[in-house]
Amino acid sequence: DAKTTQPTSMDCAEGRAANLPCNHSTISGNEYVYWYRQIHSQGPQYIIHGLKNNETNEMASLIITEDRKSSTLILPHATLRDTAVYYCIVRLSMNSGYSTLTFGKGTMLLVSP
Amino acid sequence: KAGVTQTPRYLIKTRGQQVTLSCSPISGHRSVSWYQQTPGQGLQFLFEYFSETQRNKGNFPGRFSGRQFSNSRSEMNVSTLELGDSALYLCASSGWTGAETQYFGPGTRLLVL
Repeated sequence: DAKTTQPTSMDCAEGRAANLPCNHSTISGNEYVYWYRQIHSQGPQYIIHGLKNNETNEMASLIITEDRKSSTLILPHATLRDTAVYYCIVRLSMNSGYSTLTFGKGTMLLVSP
Repeated sequence: KAGVTQTPRYLIKTRGQQVTLSCSPISGHRSVSWYQQTPGQGLQFLFEYFSETQRNKGNFPGRFSGRQFSNSRSEMNVSTLELGDSALYLCASSGWTGAETQYFGPGTRLLVL
């Protein structure tokens, strides 16, 4: 799986949008970008994933650049409960039969009042 | 749908003992993956079971083993426990082929004294 690079930490004010970047310059055509988050000592929570197009769900939006070498996870109105470590993971396509997730160190997002 | 459940949630053992952890996947999911999370090494893949067969294995010693039952429930076993085995053990399940999105359980916190 391609490696990803994320900032170690970020701050965000409550109510503002949190924009978390991820670089994945070696991503190949059949690899998806997945985002998970982990609130302290809990299991990772799936947020969103995408291949080429931008994606949005009830939790967040995922913006993937046209060359697919980077992406941004957007939490539109961050709350204190969004404080967590956010992991960006590149994973082989669903048709590959390959399931393993390779976690990096992620970005610690701190949302402040 | 109920999420992934793991039992027990907390466990204390002493060096040399063995431990068995249990994971019940989301109903209908056939793949179960296990991960170990420590402060030093982060989240690392242990192994994946699909249709009662180990399909992928991470770089862990043979003291770590697992199995999956016909109802997709999975257990992992660690024999001859070492202090370094103290960790959060996470189980994740994914759907019919095993290549779909993985959903994590709350984890089992193991402390080895």
